[in-house]
Amino acid sequence: DTGVSQNPRHKITKRGQNVTFRCDPISEHNRLYWYRQTLGQGPEFLTYFQNEAQLEKSRLLSDRFSAERPKGSFSTLEIQRTEQGDSAMYLCASSSTGGNEKLFFGSGTQLSVL
Amino acid sequence: AQKITQTQPGMFVQEKEAVTLDCTYDTSDPSYGLFWYKQPSSGEMIFLIYQGSYDQQNATEGRYSLNFQKARKSANLVISASQLGDSAMYFCAMRENYGGATNKLIFGTGTLLAVQP
Repeated sequence: DTGVSQNPRHKITKRGQNVTFRCDPISEHNRLYWYRQTLGQGPEFLTYFQNEAQLEKSRLLSDRFSAERPKGSFSTLEIQRTEQGDSAMYLCASSSTGGNEKLFFGSGTQLSVL
Repeated sequence: AQKITQTQPGMFVQEKEAVTLDCTYDTSDPSYGLFWYKQPSSGEMIFLIYQGSYDQQNATEGRYSLNFQKARKSANLVISASQLGDSAMYFCAMRENYGGATNKLIFGTGTLLAVQP
């Protein structure tokens, strides 16, 4: 198992374009999380899935953001009509249920909106 | 409201010395979990150590230990025998309702640690 994988590592886009990021969690983990991290800040929670069900969404997740996890395995995060304020590192994490629910993070997707 | 505070934006430590990174938290929930993560320049968040609010003893993981002072609401990370590879951003995080329905972590703003040879 190679851990949590995120693609692409970097994305540069023009304002108004749509972008999609992918996250492949650790295979036996049924919980998946998306976080956003801006420069000089800690990660901020965006949304959380248990299997294919999206159980919680942050108020940070505007209507332009949508996340899916159709088969309870990989997840995608789409941002429509990107704005410069969307520029950030988007981190994906996964965990199993039970125990102390340690989150394993991927290396993130760095989004730059020009 | 739940909050994590890390008051040290940056710190220097000499190689092989110990260093303490401060973290205070605020919550009204009696059940919570505290975590420390390391973020090197590659960007990946690496789990270091965990402390449950009901744990009687301070957590230890190799060179990492967590100085948990519940009454003061502090959860400082102690790194012993610093190594050059310890240079990174360090984040303190908290999850409320540990074991319950809430699963998101609240992170502090981080402390940048630089280990000098």
